[in-house]
Amino acid sequence: DGGITQSPKYLFRKEGQNVTLSCEQNLNHDAMYWYRQDPGQGLRLIYYSQIVNDFQKGDIAEGYSVSREKKESFPLTVTSAQKNPTAFYLCASSISGLGVDTQYFGPGTRLTVL
Amino acid sequence: AQKITQTQPGMFVQEKEAVTLDCTYDTSDQSYGLFWYKQPSSGEMIFLIYQGSYDEQNATEGRYSLNFQKARKSANLVISASQLGDSAMYFCAMSGIIQGAQKLVFGQGTRLTINP
Repeated sequence: DGGITQSPKYLFRKEGQNVTLSCEQNLNHDAMYWYRQDPGQGLRLIYYSQIVNDFQKGDIAEGYSVSREKKESFPLTVTSAQKNPTAFYLCASSISGLGVDTQYFGPGTRLTVL
Repeated sequence: AQKITQTQPGMFVQEKEAVTLDCTYDTSDQSYGLFWYKQPSSGEMIFLIYQGSYDEQNATEGRYSLNFQKARKSANLVISASQLGDSAMYFCAMSGIIQGAQKLVFGQGTRLTINP
């Protein structure tokens, strides 16, 4: 079955640690996205990538980093510079990212800073 | 800048009734898309329905339909014959092209509760 997988489902981090969230898709989509969701809120865009080896900052990129070495994978690193990282993180993909394409989402990772 | 407004934080509906979830948007773009997503308690965002700005007919997908009124900048979601499994958060989103890339802007969401 085609889809988007995210791991882990739950992640606990101590303050000052970097953590990496995994996102993999087998939909053969060119574009991938990372969003952050805080309780009772909508989604906010962190980073996006339209093609391998290229990515762009979204609206709240500070304290995060990404890489896109393979079409299927778009990992997100939450660095110690992110002041309030406790949130729900959602990865998405779309066919091209160049037009009005539907974005499909993974199941999410819930990050808690202890 | 694009903006999505969902004015209903929560709604309570009896099972089998129809429900309308409100969404208004603001944009200066001529070409854009409007989406509705469902987020159950598990957290995953499930795509429900899409409406293009140039589509003349309202989109429908099974029990879901999108009441698109372009002049009023509204894109309300209508769920017919609601079911207990429809209880979830619902998000309206708008897609536009910014600096050559597609971006989605989300509203704050509406929590729908279906009562038996």
